[in-house]
Amino acid sequence: QKEVEQNSGPLSVPEGAIASLNCTYSDRVSQSFFWYRQYSGKSPELIMSIYSNGDKEDGRFTAQLNKASQYVSLLIRDSQPSDSATYLCAVNTGTASKLTFGTGTRLQVTL
Amino acid sequence: EPEVTQTPSHQVTQMGQEVILRCVPISNHLYFYWYRQILGQKVEFLVSFYNNEISEKSEIFDDQFSVERPDGSNFTLKIRSTKLEDSAMYFCASSKQTGGGYGYTFGSGTRLTVV
Repeated sequence: QKEVEQNSGPLSVPEGAIASLNCTYSDRVSQSFFWYRQYSGKSPELIMSIYSNGDKEDGRFTAQLNKASQYVSLLIRDSQPSDSATYLCAVNTGTASKLTFGTGTRLQVTL
Repeated sequence: EPEVTQTPSHQVTQMGQEVILRCVPISNHLYFYWYRQILGQKVEFLVSFYNNEISEKSEIFDDQFSVERPDGSNFTLKIRSTKLEDSAMYFCASSKQTGGGYGYTFGSGTRLTVV
């Protein structure tokens, strides 16, 4: 069973702080990794993708991948109340199309 | 920005009834997907569709489920005889290339309630 694990949270950070979200995956042949943001009652929205070991930055978001440790993370700098949502980690093993999602980490940014 | 459109946004049906969930993928996308999310649980893959046939399906996607692209724009998910446990949010998604490598654009979802 290919699994993607996330801490369900909630992770509470003050406004302006860095939020760090973590994800581990079990299938070593995983090739593509994604972070989605999901507001309550809404659909997942793709915010970051990463394919190679290291860091990838996009605005206030940085995705980090370590394939040896089977670990992917998302850092959100200068967290805003509007960042309060559930963050879903998703992994593709390289087969045609399927993404395997984690249960998500709920982030709360407090004023 | 192009969107994946899903209708209806909410559907209530009686157990045993057939439902059809509709999706209009982004026009130049070639790969289409259905996922579902039971309340409070993870997003689960149901099926992927490319070149007018199913390319991959999960264990959830049993004989009660079918997909169809009846014309050049619509992509439908049919549940033949709904069960209480089919109550969930159903998301359609599409991608220009095989989504596993590039991620998808999800529609806004259809909330299916089976009573």
